Amino acid sequence: SAVISQKPSRDICQRGTSLTIQCQVDSQVTMMFWYRQQPGQSLTLIATANQGSEATYESGFVIDKFPISRPNLTFSTLTVSNMSPEDSSIYLCSVPGQPTNEKLFFGSGTQLSVL
Amino acid sequence: GENVEQHPSTLSVQEGDSAVIKCTYSDSASNYFPWYKQELGKRPQLIIDIRSNVGEKKDQRIAVTLNKTAKHFSLHITETQPEDSAVYFCAASMFSGGYNKLIFGAGTRLAVHP
Repeated sequence: SAVISQKPSRDICQRGTSLTIQCQVDSQVTMMFWYRQQPGQSLTLIATANQGSEATYESGFVIDKFPISRPNLTFSTLTVSNMSPEDSSIYLCSVPGQPTNEKLFFGSGTQLSVL
Repeated sequence: GENVEQHPSTLSVQEGDSAVIKCTYSDSASNYFPWYKQELGKRPQLIIDIRSNVGEKKDQRIAVTLNKTAKHFSLHITETQPEDSAVYFCAASMFSGGYNKLIFGAGTRLAVHP
């Protein structure tokens, strides 16, 4: 499985500010997925990031709130914009394993608290 | 779209007992069903998976069964140990926009008591 590094591991932010989360993979991958895990809840897909094209967002998530960059095949960022306490969650990037692209592996996550 | 339901939400067993977690899915086109274990403060880890052309798969103390007709699949853990205590998530694949993505169940918090 790929080694997936996420930064920061945790942050405490003020309401109305933005935070950018970075995800670095040690191998080239076509797709990267961003998930949100609210406290005590399941994993909800925010968007899928393909290199060289705009991210595809799931129902309930919009680009203005969660802009995503995917400048190359090993890196992606997710920004949580204009934060409110409801954005307090763990944000996880994930990549599919090779060769079948089915098995999904997760980064260590970013624990975000918004005051 | 795909919907995955998972039961029970919490499960408490004595060490050495078996634990069973069940999931149902709605999209008959789903063909891949993984299970993840998430310990407190850690990332979800893939523990076992099954494809739709297989009815059962085992890996030591864990097994997964799939009933495609009924659209449900289950995780079985035998001889449970305290280190099995964690939250377990099932998932089902959904093909959309040219690629597979995973839709997760709500999770089961398993507590194994010594």
